[in-house]
Parts: sequence; C-alpha cells; structure tokens
Amino acid sequence: DGGITQSPKYLFRKEGQNVTLSCEQNLNHDAMYWYRQDPGQGLRLIYYSQIVNDFQKGDIAEGYSVSREKKESFPLTVTSAQKNPTAFYLCASSPGQGAGTLNQPQHFGDGTRLSIL
Amino acid sequence: AQSVTQLGSHVSVSEGALVLLRCNYSSSVPPYLFWYVQYPNQGLQLLLKYTTGATLVKGINGFEAEFKKSETSFHLTKPSAHMSDAAEYFCAVSGLGNKLSFGAGTTVTVRA
Repeated sequence: DGGITQSPKYLFRKEGQNVTLSCEQNLNHDAMYWYRQDPGQGLRLIYYSQIVNDFQKGDIAEGYSVSREKKESFPLTVTSAQKNPTAFYLCASSPGQGAGTLNQPQHFGDGTRLSIL
Repeated sequence: AQSVTQLGSHVSVSEGALVLLRCNYSSSVPPYLFWYVQYPNQGLQLLLKYTTGATLVKGINGFEAEFKKSETSFHLTKPSAHMSDAAEYFCAVSGLGNKLSFGAGTTVTVRA
C-alpha cells in the first residue's frame, strides 16, 4: 500500500542534542511538508519542499533543518537551537504544485512525538 | 494570505444527534477547502474537500460540508453522531503554492 512512514513514533531529546525525524513516502509525490502540532494551536508549517534538492522555510523554521536528496525522503532535524521542541511532528506529501495539482489534498504520516529528557 | 477560524475548540454531542463544526476562512484567491479528522496519536485523514463546482460536498463516514462564499464559511455536519466520531477535526484552506493553513481544531466528544 502507498503511504507515508514516519519514524520513530516516540523520540526523546537530551539537552544540547540534535535529533532527526525520518519521513519516507512511496506515493511518488513531488511535494513534502513538515508540520508541528501543539495542543490548541492546530498545525504549523516548519519546512516544505516542492522538488528534490530544493526546500523553503515555513512559518516556524527557526531551530529546524531539512534536506531533500531523494524524492521519497524528507528528514527533519530538530537542533539544539530549538528551545521548546516538545511537540507532535507530522510529515505530509502531495502530488506537487503544477497546474491541476493545487486541489489535491495532502497525505499525512502517523507522526513522531518528541519529548525532552 | 489565507487563514482559517474554527469556532469552538470543544463540541459535545449525544449519540444520534447532529454534529455541526464551524469553519470560516479568509483567502485572497479562490479557496480550496479541506476537512481532516485526527484520532489520538495518529496523523490526519481527509474527510472531504471543496475545489470548484457543487457547493455541497459529501465525504467519508457520513460527513458533508457546504461552501458558502458570501459567508466565507465551510461548516462540517453529520446528521447522526456515532461513538466512533469522537476525534479532533481540522479545517484547512489551500492557497498559493499548495500550502495549507489550518484552524486550531475542534475536539468532538460523543456522549452515550
């Protein structure tokens, strides 16, 4: 079955440590997204990528970094500069941003819950 | 720029009663609108979407939503609530670049 796989499901970060969240999709989608979810705040966009080797900052990119070396993969690194990393992180993908694709919904993984030790 | 406001962070309904979740949007371009559902510790699942055409949109699990341009609204309804409808619901609007802007979410509780 096609879908989005996020791993690990739970992750703990120590003070001063960088951690990387994995996101893999086999939907052949061009666009991928990372969101942060906090209670009562909905989802906020961290980074997104429309094509391999290209990505843009979202609304809350500070303290995070990404890479897009392969179409299927869009890992997110939560750096030590992110002072409040405890949240639920969701990865999503969509067909792309060309004409005729703007009305296509985003597909979501099952998320990674990050906590501070 | 686009944004979404969901009225009511919590809604409690009796089993078999109408479910009504309110969503108002702001968009500088013709909007594409979505409702997603999220069960605990899971990702978001698409319930329905409005792109163009018919303003009453039917989705999965008996949900439907009506796009009203004059009211900038996209309210979600289900005639008869089921216990399995207990979840968090998000309204979202898609604008330039296919970036989604989400509302803060509405948590639905279903009473037996």
